[in-house]
Amino acid sequence: DVKVTQSSRYLVKRTGEKVFLECVQDMDHENMFWYRQDPGLGLRLIYFSYDVKMKEKGDIPEGYSVSREKKERFSLILESASTNQTSMYLCASTVRSYNEQFFGPGTRLTVL
Amino acid sequence: AQSVTQLDSQVPVFEEAPVELRCNYSSSVSVYLFWYVQYPNQGLQLLLKYLSGSTLVKGINGFEAEFNKSQTSFHLRKPSVHISDTAEYFCAVTGFGNEKLTFGTGTRLTIIP
Repeated sequence: DVKVTQSSRYLVKRTGEKVFLECVQDMDHENMFWYRQDPGLGLRLIYFSYDVKMKEKGDIPEGYSVSREKKERFSLILESASTNQTSMYLCASTVRSYNEQFFGPGTRLTVL
Repeated sequence: AQSVTQLDSQVPVFEEAPVELRCNYSSSVSVYLFWYVQYPNQGLQLLLKYLSGSTLVKGINGFEAEFNKSQTSFHLRKPSVHISDTAEYFCAVTGFGNEKLTFGTGTRLTIIP
């Protein structure tokens, strides 16, 4: 059974903290994605990675960075968390764009 | 670049009634189209996808969608809904050679007993 796991389901942080969200997939997929989900806005792509150490900006990369040191792991980093980064964060992976993206359960991040 | 429009943010439907969730897309290249479902407190999972071939695509849980190139639409349908279909549904598009999916804003389907 294919699986994408995310390090936390719920996370509460304070403004200015550095935040790490981790995603691990066990399907040997090349592509991994980080999305942000907000009511009425759907899913918006933050960053994606098509190979180890390779990354590309999505639609809303400001305030975020990513790291992919191993094929199975893709980390999202909030360098200095702000209240407007309170959101649901979803990780996904796929072999190629026209194949199914497999999603993790999401991390609901609250920044106080 | 591609874009997706889901005009209906919420759709209430009586149990056992039919439902159609609308999706329109825009693209300058050939497209691949997807419908995903998100049940409460879960991630997204694939309902169905159109890559090529037959324009009528069947998915899981009795859902189907029809690709209409002239109307740039990919509407999702189910002939008879159940309480368990309560969820948020997302239409998504990508273009040939593009590794990224563009999602619509979602439609929340509420089933009325």
